[in-house]
Amino acid sequence: GAVVSQHPSWVICKSGTSVKIECRSLDFQATTMFWYRQFPKQSLMLMATSNEGSKATYEQGVEKDKFLINHASLTLSTLTVTSAHPEDSSFYICSATSWRGTDTQYFGPGTRLTVL
Amino acid sequence: KQEVTQIPAALSVPEGENLVLNCSFTDSAIYNLQWFRQDPGKGLTSLLLIQSSQREQTSGRLNASLDKSSGRSTLYIAASQPGDSATYLCAVGGGSEKLVFGKGTKLTVNP
Repeated sequence: GAVVSQHPSWVICKSGTSVKIECRSLDFQATTMFWYRQFPKQSLMLMATSNEGSKATYEQGVEKDKFLINHASLTLSTLTVTSAHPEDSSFYICSATSWRGTDTQYFGPGTRLTVL
Repeated sequence: KQEVTQIPAALSVPEGENLVLNCSFTDSAIYNLQWFRQDPGKGLTSLLLIQSSQREQTSGRLNASLDKSSGRSTLYIAASQPGDSATYLCAVGGGSEKLVFGKGTKLTVNP
């Protein structure tokens, strides 16, 4: 149980285009989802926290108009990178916690974004 | 601001050796501490979670300890195997709170 999926697993896009990444909890309801970004040889850095039905909370330095997060249901959150640029190329990982309030965040497999 | 440091950044050992990975954090007011494994280009696999009230957790050949007062945790891997080769990440926080990650220790176990 407690499986989180991400789609796509990798994506290549041209500079200036928008890319949507999906994060799904497959066998549990996720009241809270987190989006992280990981640059090569760096830590995972939290970008934003998303609660179902409400606006996401962004970490300092993360542009909310550039990284649009939608958490419309208890099993799906989406991250849209708008007007992507090469510096947005990174590994994006989501995680989810269940409504049961367990302490573990369950992580998705990640999405590799390359912006040309 | 919580900061998490992992030492060493990389470690190479022969198969069968016991080893210890270190993690330190600056703010001892944590909810829990987790150790993760990350294979190249992949997501995270949770290995062990230690609640703030606990001192250690064990799973198979893995044992993680937590000393909140000193802001330290160790991950002990017994009888290492080539399949243990991966990057090991330490993170503090948890629950509905954000996780703060270290940069990880890249472990290579040589056959």
